[in-house]
Amino acid sequence: ELKVEQNPLFLSMQEGKNYTIYCNYSTTSDRLYWYRQDPGKSLESLFVLLSNGAVKQEGRLMASLDTKARLSTLHITAAVHDLSATYFCAVYNWEYGNKLVFGAGTILRVKS
Amino acid sequence: DTEVTQTPKHLVMGMTNKKSLKCEQHMGHRAMYWYKQKAKKPPELMFVYSYEKLSINESVPSRFSPECPNSSLLNLHLHALQPEDSALYLCASSQGRAGRTGELFFGEGSRLTVL
Repeated sequence: ELKVEQNPLFLSMQEGKNYTIYCNYSTTSDRLYWYRQDPGKSLESLFVLLSNGAVKQEGRLMASLDTKARLSTLHITAAVHDLSATYFCAVYNWEYGNKLVFGAGTILRVKS
Repeated sequence: DTEVTQTPKHLVMGMTNKKSLKCEQHMGHRAMYWYKQKAKKPPELMFVYSYEKLSINESVPSRFSPECPNSSLLNLHLHALQPEDSALYLCASSQGRAGRTGELFFGEGSRLTVL
């Protein structure tokens, strides 16, 4: 069974601070995704990571993938209130069919 | 704005009602999905259609019946639901196995309340 673990599950941080969310998965994967979800809303795609060593950045968010360690990170730089949301990582593996397996999500609250 | 459109956005139904959720995409994607999401939980996969054929059913109770009339449309027919079925139902699409990234694009969701 493919398992995806995120930590922390809840993160409260001050504006201007940096922090990292971690996503570990249990088996080899050729694709990893990060999504953002605002309360009561749908999921917005943030990053698609397709190879070992992939690094992508958008604004204050940067995602990376280490397929050997089966680890992805989502780094937040100089957090602002607008980044408050739930962040999910999701992993794709052909062995498990045409499905995306999600982590539990990290609830991020950025305090002014 | 999402390119996956879901209707209705909100639905309240009794346990004896029959209703349907609808999803439409015009991105030429060949895989479409239904996910169920409870509050403060990740989305859970229910069904996958690939090239208009049901390819995955995650042991979903028969009171949920999916239908894919064509490559752009996906329905979820609801009948004799239980209060615990209340959730946000998300539709998604992707380019499918042959797609470049396999990225899923989600609709805004249909929030279902079963009384």
